[in-house]
Amino acid sequence: DVKVTQSSRYLVKRTGEKVFLECVQDMDHENMFWYRQDPGLGLRLIYFSYDVKMKEKGDIPEGYSVSREKKERFSLILESASTNQTSMYLCASLPGTGGAAAFFGQGTRLTVV
Amino acid sequence: RKEVEQDPGPFNVPEGATVAFNCTYSNSASQSFFWYRQDCRKEPKLLMSVYSSGNEDGRFTAQLNRASQYISLLIRDSKLSDSATYLCVASSGGSYIPTFGRGTSLIVHP
Repeated sequence: DVKVTQSSRYLVKRTGEKVFLECVQDMDHENMFWYRQDPGLGLRLIYFSYDVKMKEKGDIPEGYSVSREKKERFSLILESASTNQTSMYLCASLPGTGGAAAFFGQGTRLTVV
Repeated sequence: RKEVEQDPGPFNVPEGATVAFNCTYSNSASQSFFWYRQDCRKEPKLLMSVYSSGNEDGRFTAQLNRASQYISLLIRDSKLSDSATYLCVASSGGSYIPTFGRGTSLIVHP
């Protein structure tokens, strides 16, 4: 089974802090994604990566950056956390071949106070 | 602009009922379709893929209508444990990015 692991289930950070969310997958998938999920808004794509050191902006990249130094790891960085970044963050991975389904990590519930 | 649309519900049904959800997608180039299930405060998990000819997995049946650009999920003999949010997903052949609907909430009551 595919395993996608996010480093924390719950995080509480202060406004202005730099926050790192880590995601690791063990299936050698090329593609990795970061979403945030808020009530009534569904899953919104923040950034994605289709290869090591490659990254593309999603629909809501403002206030975020990402890093993919190794194929199995995709990090989401909140440069200066703000209260409107309080959300559930979900990492997903997907093989490069067409037609496959994405697999998600367990999610990180981030609260910025 | 939302490319995948779902009725948010909630659909409130008694145990044993049959319930159906539809989902429409706007990108005619979409080629891969899935249904996910998401429990409260948990991550989405793949429920089933949706194939052109339709497919069944136990009490769950998924259908694809390319002409009208919608997919459906039918749940027969609903169980209390089916209570969850169901997300539909479409991916185009040229882009591997899965596009998620906002989900349909199902509540199965005794």
